[in-house]
Amino acid sequence: DQQVKQNSPSLSVQEGRISILNCDYTNSMFDYFLWYKKYPAEGPTFLISISSIKDKNEDGRFTVFLNKSAKHLSLHIVPSQPGDSAVYFCAASRSQKLVFGQGTRLTINP
Amino acid sequence: DGGITQSPKYLFRKEGQNVTLSCEQNLNHDAMYWYRQDPGQGLRLIYYSQIVNDFQKGDIAEGYSVSREKKESFPLTVTSAQKNPTAFYLCASSSGLNQPQHFGDGTRLSIL
Repeated sequence: DQQVKQNSPSLSVQEGRISILNCDYTNSMFDYFLWYKKYPAEGPTFLISISSIKDKNEDGRFTVFLNKSAKHLSLHIVPSQPGDSAVYFCAASRSQKLVFGQGTRLTINP
Repeated sequence: DGGITQSPKYLFRKEGQNVTLSCEQNLNHDAMYWYRQDPGQGLRLIYYSQIVNDFQKGDIAEGYSVSREKKESFPLTVTSAQKNPTAFYLCASSSGLNQPQHFGDGTRLSIL
């Protein structure tokens, strides 16, 4: 039972444009959501998080949106840069345990 | 520099052998975690520990064991009972509830 889903295995975006990565979840008890970025053969790096009591959190080029009624999370990256090319994982937390999505591979094209 | 150190980066195991993966953190975090990543999949939780001398099974604990004798250390043993041990293993730690987990760079385990 996949509680956190990233339905797009890959996404290709032109440099300078907006990248939008999506994530859906099924468990309404999740109270904290995170996005991680991962390069091959490295551990995930924390990007940004949002509490379930908020609907938006912004940090520089990264903004996370939470729609609780739709159980949907998205990460916006604007403007997209070549260094943003990586695999992005969303994760949802309850009682300090994280459940991860399958990841979306983002490729930024020059 | 503060961080999480996993060793070794690559590990090979013969069938039937137990093997132990090391994870050390100097972030003074109470909670530590072990995950497994398989190709094309997300991370799955093996074991976690919220405090020294205590740990809990995650979603895929069968064939694995852990210990938490020191705050800084959370070693994972992959036993011969784990039928599909080949994977990328990631250790993480966090300072508490609703705080991000920070990850090491992982250990890739392969069966010879």
